[in-house]
Amino acid sequence: AQKVTQAQTEISVVEKEDVTLDCVYETRDTTYYLFWYKQPPSGELVFLIRRNSFDEQNEISGRYSWNFQKSTSSFNFTITASQVVDSAVYFCALSEAQWNTGNQFYFGTGTSLTVIP
Amino acid sequence: KAGVTQTPRYLIKTRGQQVTLSCSPISGHRSVSWYQQTPGQGLQFLFEYFSETQRNKGNFPGRFSGRQFSNSRSEMNVSTLELGDSALYLCASSSGTSGVQETQYFGPGTRLLVL
Repeated sequence: AQKVTQAQTEISVVEKEDVTLDCVYETRDTTYYLFWYKQPPSGELVFLIRRNSFDEQNEISGRYSWNFQKSTSSFNFTITASQVVDSAVYFCALSEAQWNTGNQFYFGTGTSLTVIP
Repeated sequence: KAGVTQTPRYLIKTRGQQVTLSCSPISGHRSVSWYQQTPGQGLQFLFEYFSETQRNKGNFPGRFSGRQFSNSRSEMNVSTLELGDSALYLCASSSGTSGVQETQYFGPGTRLLVL
C-alpha cells in the first residue's frame, strides 16, 4: 500500500487562480514528519516545508499555505494567486522512524502543476 | 553554505557499460541517499550511506551499488547498464543524526540515458 498518495497526477490552472494539491498519508506512528518538495523542470527537488505530527496549525508562507489534518491524514498544499513560475511537479513525503536508520522517507508520486499565462 | 552537488549532470551510455555518479553533500552532513526517478515509477529509493556504511537499502538489483568516503562524498555505480536504467538519479543530503525529523536536501541530479 502506498504510504503517501497524491491522487492528482496533473493539474492545469490559469494564472492568478488558487490551486490546492492534495496529499494523503498512512502511518501507524504517533511521531512522524511531513514534507512538501517542488521539482521545477531543471530537476532538483526544492524543499518547501516540514511539519511534525504534533503541530496541526496551518502554515502560511507568502502565497503558499499548508493545511495539516490528522483526522483525515491529509497534508494539503494551496498556492494562492498562482504564477507561471509555480509550474513544477510537487511531491509530498512522509518521514517515519526506523529502528536501525533513524528514519525512512516515503514520497508520493507527485502532482504536475501547469500554470497557464 | 554550498548545496548538494552532483556530477556529471548528463551522461549517455550504451547497454552493457557501467557508470559511476558522484554526489557531494552539504558541508557537515553525513548522510547521503540516492533515488532513481523515472516517468513510470516516480521517485524510488536506492540506498542511504551514513559514515561510510550503507544504512538502508531499497529494492534494486545488485547491479546498483554505492559507497561513501570519509569526507561524506558518495558515489553510485551501475554495472551492465540496461535501457530501463535511463533515469534521473538524485542524491539527497541530510545530517544523518536527527532521526525522523531529518530534512533531505537534494542535488540537481544526473540524467542518464542508456542507448
